[in-house]
This record gives sequence, structure tokens and C-alpha cells, in this order.
Amino acid sequence: DAGVTQSPTHLIKTRGQQVTLRCSPKSGHDTVSWYQQALGQGPQFIFQYYEEEERQRGNFPDRFSGHQYPNYSSELNVNALLLGDSALYLCASTGTPIDEQYFGPGTRLTVT
Amino acid sequence: AQSVTQPDIHITVSEGASLELRCNYSYGATPYLFWYVQSPGQGLQLLLKYFSGDTLVQGIKGFEAEFKRSQSSFNLRKPSVHWSDAAEYFCAVGSLNAGNNRKLIWGLGTSLAVNP
Repeated sequence: DAGVTQSPTHLIKTRGQQVTLRCSPKSGHDTVSWYQQALGQGPQFIFQYYEEEERQRGNFPDRFSGHQYPNYSSELNVNALLLGDSALYLCASTGTPIDEQYFGPGTRLTVT
Repeated sequence: AQSVTQPDIHITVSEGASLELRCNYSYGATPYLFWYVQSPGQGLQLLLKYFSGDTLVQGIKGFEAEFKRSQSSFNLRKPSVHWSDAAEYFCAVGSLNAGNNRKLIWGLGTSLAVNP
């Protein structure tokens, strides 16, 4: 059983560009959460998707958007990239009943 | 406001010594609590979790944690630290009463260094 997978592993973008990160949840999990982890910081909650809808959102601007597909996989899109968007982006999935969040290895985004 | 505080930003211990990492939370609903570990350049791995029942929970790699409701704490302990335990440790809290809302509130982490 594959765990949470994320792609790509690393990404380098230029300010102003747009980026799409992808996540496949653990088998049987229907909820996907995205986190941003800046260097030396704890994860910051971006948003959570359940049944193809954004269910909850953290304190991130509208430049950050997402999508969940019927197979529960998810995308995180960031528009108009800023230098401050450089971080490790983590995807986590959860199933039912209540269970811990299983994390993927993350995507390291560098904005130059 | 919901929050998690890890008072110690950085801790250094000698190999073989005991370890305690502190975690305090402020959460209005019934909490469920986690400790995760993150090695350099790696994702987050669950060490242990508390949902209900026995307040002393055992985790992987010889770690344990004790939930103390009166102190709003969930401290992580290990009786004898190994050099491979050097990593970043995160405490997180979520709600058992939030339906399908699985959002976790995270502490800023404690960086553990282990001296040989």
C-alpha cells in the first residue's frame, strides 16, 4: 500500500510565475490537507479538501488555490509567486474514522 | 485562540541521557494530540498520538508521552536517547469533536541535538 505521494520533489520557479504541486493520498483516505513549512518553522495550514470541496482554509491569500479530484488526489496552485513562497509544501491525507494525518515527503519550492 | 506552544526551541542532550520535550496547548474543544518527528530534508513521521483512554501513550522508537488535562500539556519523553534521534520534533493538536474537520494546529518545533 503506497503512502502519500507528492510530485515533483523539487521545483525552482521565478517570481511572478505560477506553480502546480500534486498529491496522491494514502489508499482509502478521502481528505487532503496542504501545509507550508518555511525553513526552521512548523507547518502552516493552507487548506483542506474533502469531497472535492475546500472545507477549511488557513491564513493564506487567494493566490493559493487547490483542487481535489474524484479519486481524492489533489493539487495546490500558487499564482504570482513571491520570494516568500519558497518553502517545503507538505500534503497530508486522513481517512475515517478519525485517524492521524499521513504526510508525504513534500515538495521543495524555491522561488528566485 | 487555539495554539500549541513548544517552549524549547533547541535542546542538546548526551547520548544515553533521558529526554523530555514540552508541549502545551490551548484548545476549546476536546483535543486529540500528536507528536511528529522530522529528520533533515524529510517529511513528518508520526511518533505517537492520544485520542482517549490511558493518558500515558507509547509510540515508536521508544518514545512515550503523557496527557495532563489539568496542565494542558502533552510532553514527550524517552529514557535513553540515541544519536539517531537528532531531529526536529513537532507537537500538534486537533479536535475530536469537529466532524470531518481534520485541521491540526502545530507548535513551532523543538530541534534536538545529540552529543556522542
